[in-house]
Amino acid sequence: QVQLQESGPGLVKPSGTLSLTCAVSGDSISSSNWWNWVRQSPGRGLEWIGEMYHSGSTKYNPSLKSRVTISVDESKNQFSLKMSSVTAADTAVYYCARGRRVCEIGYCYGGPMDVWGKGTTVTVSS
Amino acid sequence: QLVLTQSPSASASLGASVKLTCTLNSGHTTYAIAWHQQQPEKGPRFLMRLNRDGSHTKGDGIPDRFSGSSSGAERYLTISGLQSDDEADYYCQTWDSDTQVFGGGTKLTVL
Repeated sequence: QVQLQESGPGLVKPSGTLSLTCAVSGDSISSSNWWNWVRQSPGRGLEWIGEMYHSGSTKYNPSLKSRVTISVDESKNQFSLKMSSVTAADTAVYYCARGRRVCEIGYCYGGPMDVWGKGTTVTVSS
Repeated sequence: QLVLTQSPSASASLGASVKLTCTLNSGHTTYAIAWHQQQPEKGPRFLMRLNRDGSHTKGDGIPDRFSGSSSGAERYLTISGLQSDDEADYYCQTWDSDTQVFGGGTKLTVL
């Protein structure tokens, strides 16, 4: 059974950097899947942050791209999110999710997210 | 730009059926989507991948009461025999080679 578990500080100061890790069990981070970060602000819907493949290929939400980095640690079977220059608007529950690979005309990319972590709450406040 | 549109709310009675809709925008009407359920105070749960032809692949342990269908740009999630714990937010998700997109979600109330 594949499980994802988010971890990281629950409180980050404004203008600081948010750092979260997602530990993967039951699947290899080096498999053919993509690894996503998604967030949900209080009372709002789901917002995709970005995804990565173990090769290092990454894709980001254009609205967050300048502040976000997703990286993978294959030795620990985990991947991470860093978001810089945070403000109160970044207060949210952050989820990691596995994206199944989709291939078309020989080009493969991340598709449906079929396994989710339970989420971790991050509050941006001084 | 890839966009998914969902009605903000829906309601149906206990034991009845309900059909939720997710609409793909022009130029993207052939895309597959995924449906996710988010119960109150919980994380999302993958329900199914739904293709343009209505074929669908459900996640592990998803009951037969949940089914999907498609018509043109519309992607549907039908829940039959509604139970109280079906009261939740339902999100659709789609993807292409550059991005992932979620719909705004539909809040389902079971009366």
